[in-house]
Amino acid sequence: ELKVEQNPLFLSMQEGKNYTIYCNYSTTSDRLYWYRQDPGKSLESLFVLLSNGAVKQEGRLMASLDTKARLSTLHITAAVHDLSATYFCAPGNFGNEKLTFGTGTRLTIIP
Amino acid sequence: EAGVAQSPRYKIIEKRQSVAFWCNPISGHATLYWYQQILGQGPKLLIQFQNNGVVDDSQLPKDRFSAERLKGVDSTLKIQPAKLEDSAVYLCASSLGDRDVETQYFGPGTRLLVL
Repeated sequence: ELKVEQNPLFLSMQEGKNYTIYCNYSTTSDRLYWYRQDPGKSLESLFVLLSNGAVKQEGRLMASLDTKARLSTLHITAAVHDLSATYFCAPGNFGNEKLTFGTGTRLTIIP
Repeated sequence: EAGVAQSPRYKIIEKRQSVAFWCNPISGHATLYWYQQILGQGPKLLIQFQNNGVVDDSQLPKDRFSAERLKGVDSTLKIQPAKLEDSAVYLCASSLGDRDVETQYFGPGTRLLVL
C-alpha cells in the first residue's frame, strides 16, 4: 500500500523567508503532482513532475522530483502572504490515473 | 471552459438518513473521481469511473455508499444510511483520461455534516 508523508505538517513562516516542504512516498512512482488548497476551497493543480530530476517553477514556488529517493520538494522563495494555503503532493504512474494524496502541509505566512 | 460542477454545496442530515451528491465533470473528460476529505486530511479516493465503467472502487464502503455514472457524463454518489463519521467534504474531480498527463481538476466540493 502506497504511503505518502509530507513534512512539516504545519509551517508558519515570515514574509520574505525561504522554506522547503518535503514529500516522501513508499512505492515506485514515475510522476508527482502538487496541489494547493485554500481554506474552504477545492484543490488547484500547481505542478506535474513527469520524470526523475524534473524541476518546475511558477513564481515563488519551485518543485522537484527524485524518483530514486522517492522524494519531491516544494521550495518557497521570499514568501508572501497569498501563498498561505495547504499544499498536497500525490504520486502517480503513467497509465494509472489513481492518486494517493499526502497528509498536506498547512502553510501560514506571517507579515 | 466551465469547471467541475457539484451540488449541493452544503448538506446537514441526521445519522441513518440518506443523502445524494451530484457531479458534472468538465466537458470531454472521460475519467471521473469521487474523493472523501475529512477535516485536516488529504483527499481519499472513493471511486473512479472511466466513461461509465468503474475502474477502482476498492476504498468505497459498499455497504452504505453507492455511485453511478449513467451515460458516462454526470455522476451521483449516495450514502444510505449515513453515519457520524461520514461528515466530510466530498470532492468530485475529472480528467481527460488520455493517460499521458493526467491532471485531475476538482470541483468545489459538497460539505456534509451528519448529526
